[in-house]
Formats: sequence, structure tokens, C-alpha cells
Amino acid sequence: LAKTTQPISMDSYEGQEVNITCSHNNIATNDYITWYQQFPSQGPRFIIQGYKTKVTNEVASLFIPADRKSSTLSLPRVSLSDTAVYYCLVGDGVGYSTLTFGKGTMLLVSP
Amino acid sequence: NAGVMQNPRHLVRRRGQEARLRCSPMKGHSHVYWYRQLPEEGLKFMVYLQKENIIDESGMPKERFSAEFPKEGPSILRIQQVVRGDSAAYFCASSPIGQDTAKNIQYFGAGTRLSVL
Repeated sequence: LAKTTQPISMDSYEGQEVNITCSHNNIATNDYITWYQQFPSQGPRFIIQGYKTKVTNEVASLFIPADRKSSTLSLPRVSLSDTAVYYCLVGDGVGYSTLTFGKGTMLLVSP
Repeated sequence: NAGVMQNPRHLVRRRGQEARLRCSPMKGHSHVYWYRQLPEEGLKFMVYLQKENIIDESGMPKERFSAEFPKEGPSILRIQQVVRGDSAAYFCASSPIGQDTAKNIQYFGAGTRLSVL
């Protein structure tokens, strides 16, 4: 099971771009990289998923280098409501895959 | 299209009582997962179920905990003889049938916060 490492916390200001990097040195060939967002007192919410190169949706972008040993979640122009915990997950790609959450990155956006 | 529904949102039990947590998956989803989150911790997988079958319960404590997902009705996580250490947020997630298992995108409910007095 690929293990992930990400910063415990990050601070930013409204309007800035935030990049959260996750390391997953042991990622397997079949693994996808998935990011979830969790607000206090709520369940995690799927943000974005990718396999390689770059993925973009209406919420974020995900950059994955060729070696896939890391990935970067990019949040453009954050607002106060983006304050949350962000989790990086890597699936084991074997049949069904239960999600393994670490402690995530606590992003605090200030005015 | 309603999301994953969990109830109750908050549950208070005294030591030794039973706790029953309910989860209705999203429409069209037949895979249900239960997770537990302790304060300041990440979510920990407990059990994965499909209709009438437990697929993986490797994260579930061997005693006092059980889960079911009957043919009709919600999935139930049952904790017997609760202790203070069971106090946590319990989240249910669901995923659709036929999804690429390597992708395994799950959709979470708002959770049930169990407090054991």
C-alpha cells in the first residue's frame, strides 16, 4: 500500500494560489492519486483525481510529474471557505480499494 | 439526487449501552464503507459491504462491533456495550457499482458523532 507524506499545515491569504505537495515514492503502476477535502464536522469530499500529467476541474488542478512519485494540488485564488483539511490518497489498485487516510494538510486561509 | 445520508448526526450513549448508526448510500450505489475518525486524526477504514455481504472487515474491532447492509434498508453499524474510547465521528461512504476499482472514488456522508458518557 503506497504511503503518502504531506505537510501538516499551511497558511495562506485570500486571493493567493495554494500548492500542496504530496510524496508517494512507492506508488504502484495501477495506482491513481486522489485528493479529498474535509471541512470541520463534515465528511470528506472528493476534489480531484489523476494518473499522470495534469488534470484540471472547476475546483482545482492536479500536477503529476512523469515519475509519479509526488503530486501537487493547486487551488487558484483561495477564499476563506477553502480553509479545510486536504488529504492525498493513493490507491493500491488491487481489486476494490479501501481508502487510507493520513492526517492530511490543514490549510488555513486568512483575510 | 440526495447524497449519502447518515443518522443520527449526534448520538449520546452511556457506557454499556448499544449504539446503532445508520447509512443510506447515494441512489445507484451498492458499495458502502464505514470509517472512524478520532479527534485530530485521519479517517480509519473499518468495513466494506455490498448488499447482504461483508467484503472486508479488516479494520473493524473483533469484539462489540458489527455491520450489515441488508437487501432492503440502510446499512447499520452496531456497537455493543460502548466504552468511552468508542467516542468518535463515524463516517459512511458509498461508491457506484461498476466503477473502476483502481479509481475508487467514494462519496461521504456528514457523519455520526458518538459521545460515550
